[in-house]
Amino acid sequence: DIQMTQSPSSLSASVGDRVTITCRASQGVRNDLGWYQQKPGKAPKRLIYAASSLESGVPSRFSGSGSGTEFTLTISSLQPEDFATYYCLQHNSYPFTFGQGTRLEIK
Amino acid sequence: EVQLVESGGGLVQPGGSLRLPCAASGFTFSDYYMDWVRQAPEKGLEWVGRIRNKANRYTTEYAASVKGRFTISRDDSKNSLYLQMNSLRTEDTAVYYCARDLGARGGDYWGQGTLVTVSP
Repeated sequence: DIQMTQSPSSLSASVGDRVTITCRASQGVRNDLGWYQQKPGKAPKRLIYAASSLESGVPSRFSGSGSGTEFTLTISSLQPEDFATYYCLQHNSYPFTFGQGTRLEIK
Repeated sequence: EVQLVESGGGLVQPGGSLRLPCAASGFTFSDYYMDWVRQAPEKGLEWVGRIRNKANRYTTEYAASVKGRFTISRDDSKNSLYLQMNSLRTEDTAVYYCARDLGARGGDYWGQGTLVTVSP
């Protein structure tokens, strides 16, 4: 199975900050990776697909990069509604695997 | 508008069974692969399994943690996806989500989730 190691597991930041979350795959997944945002009591919402493509309707302050085994999600200027938990998902091979999540909290 | 609506959750004893339906609307259900994902209380997301479409013979994939106990099926005539869960364990307690073709480029759609609690 492909392990997705996500870091950091939690992060405190302020409105306006730039933040970066990283996912590292235990073996190459090409660009078969998505980034999800989840708020309490809600289903996850995909922000980025194919590692770097912005989902329709998602603000441009979100961006993704990487290929193979190293991926990053960057939020260029944090907004109050961005405080949530973020997950990566590899869908290159079965079983699909999520990172363990990054909880983004207000400083 | 694409909609996915899970139901069937509830309290079940260890060793018991439960069947979760997911009703789909707003898209051509029969064309798509479908996935189940779960989330234990205060924990992360775990992919449970997938069923492919008719063109791919409705074949399935499962996470190791549920293989042999859970079965994913679908009824394209009813635009419905199912998760049959047998031999349930306390560690299967989670919110279960159905999702349309995780990873596909044509949009990302999830249901609202249904809570399954496995407890004596």
